[in-house]
Amino acid sequence: GAVVSQHPSWVICKSGTSVKIECRSLDFQATTMFWYRQFPKQSLMLMATSNEGSKATYEQGVEKDKFLINHASLTLSTLTVTSAHPEDSSFYICSAGRFERVYEQYFGPGTRLTVT
Amino acid sequence: AQSVTQLGSHVSVSEGALVLLRCNYSSSVPPYLFWYVQYPNQGLQLLLKYTSAATLVKGINGFEAEFKKSETSFHLTKPSAHMSDAAEYFCAVTRNTGGFKTIFGAGTRLFVKA
Repeated sequence: GAVVSQHPSWVICKSGTSVKIECRSLDFQATTMFWYRQFPKQSLMLMATSNEGSKATYEQGVEKDKFLINHASLTLSTLTVTSAHPEDSSFYICSAGRFERVYEQYFGPGTRLTVT
Repeated sequence: AQSVTQLGSHVSVSEGALVLLRCNYSSSVPPYLFWYVQYPNQGLQLLLKYTSAATLVKGINGFEAEFKKSETSFHLTKPSAHMSDAAEYFCAVTRNTGGFKTIFGAGTRLFVKA
């Protein structure tokens, strides 16, 4: 149990376009989902925390208008990178937590975004 | 503020040798501690977790870690390395500070020599 999927697994887009990444908890309800960004050979950096039905909480330095997060249901959260630039190229990973044990996170396989 | 320090960005061991990956944390309250493994271009897989129960925690694939409050450490060990253990390992601390937040260490790349 506790499987999290991400779609797409990789995406290439042109500068100026927007890209949406989906994160789904397949076999449990996730009241909280987290979005991380990982640069090559670096650790994970928390971008934002999203709770179902409410606005996401962004970490300091993360542009909320650029990285739009929606958590419309207990099994789906989306991250939209708007007006993408080459510097947005990165590995984006989501995780989901169960309501009663939200300190346990289950990670998705990640999405590789390349902006040309 | 909490932080996680992983000593050694790279660790190399021979197959069959002991694996020791070090992690120290700083936290003003007892944290939840985790070790994750990441293979190239993949997400994170939970190896084991400490959540204030037994201080010696056993995880998957023969890994274990010991929570030592006096040393603020949570080092990861495995008695005998296998080639398939070569990967990136992350130590992480989660606290509830008006919402759960996880801080990751910088990671340690484990190399296993034949």
